Amino acid sequence: EVVMTQSPATLSVSPGDRATLSCRASLTVISNLAWYQQRPGQPPRLLMYGASTRATGIPARFSGSGSGAEFTLTISSLQSEDFAVYYCQQYNYWPYTFGQGTKLEIK
Amino acid sequence: QVHLQQSGPEVKKPGASVKVSCTVSGSSLGELSMHWVRQAPVKGLEWMGGFDPENDETIYAQKFQGRVTMTDDTSTDAAYMELSSLTHEDTAVYYCAASTRRGYILHYWGQGTLVTVSS
Repeated sequence: EVVMTQSPATLSVSPGDRATLSCRASLTVISNLAWYQQRPGQPPRLLMYGASTRATGIPARFSGSGSGAEFTLTISSLQSEDFAVYYCQQYNYWPYTFGQGTKLEIK
Repeated sequence: QVHLQQSGPEVKKPGASVKVSCTVSGSSLGELSMHWVRQAPVKGLEWMGGFDPENDETIYAQKFQGRVTMTDDTSTDAAYMELSSLTHEDTAVYYCAASTRRGYILHYWGQGTLVTVSS
């Protein structure tokens, strides 16, 4: 199965600053890569798919880039509600696989 | 607005089975492809299985093969996930998640169902 590796495990950033999260796949997944946000006690929420397409209702401060095996999620000007855990997930191969998550915390 | 409503928490003994439901509103189950993802306490997300629209079949993660069954009841717009031979390691929140029928992206998520396996 495709192993998804996210870095860093924890990222400490101040509100208003930019956050950059990374995701690497063990095989090329083309652009079949999604990002999710999960707040405590809530289900995951789709942020991005096709590596760079924002899901419905996702603010423009979220952007995704990359293709092949290296991907980035950037959040510009962090808001208080953005502090959460972020997961990447590939849907190019069965089984679907998720990264282990990056916890974005307030600095 | 698609909404997935899951059944309530369950407590099961080791060796038992659990069946979790996921009811669709705002669309119909026939317009969606359903998947199931679980999350053990303070852990990440683990895909258990889901519908492959290219081959029109349900695919299960190898880890759960022989122990999990995912079914759809289009007459009630409800999907089900049954997991048997439960162990303590199956204690987790179980989520249903759906894509469009011919799609692969998990746009919609249920609220989660906590399954606790305890002797």
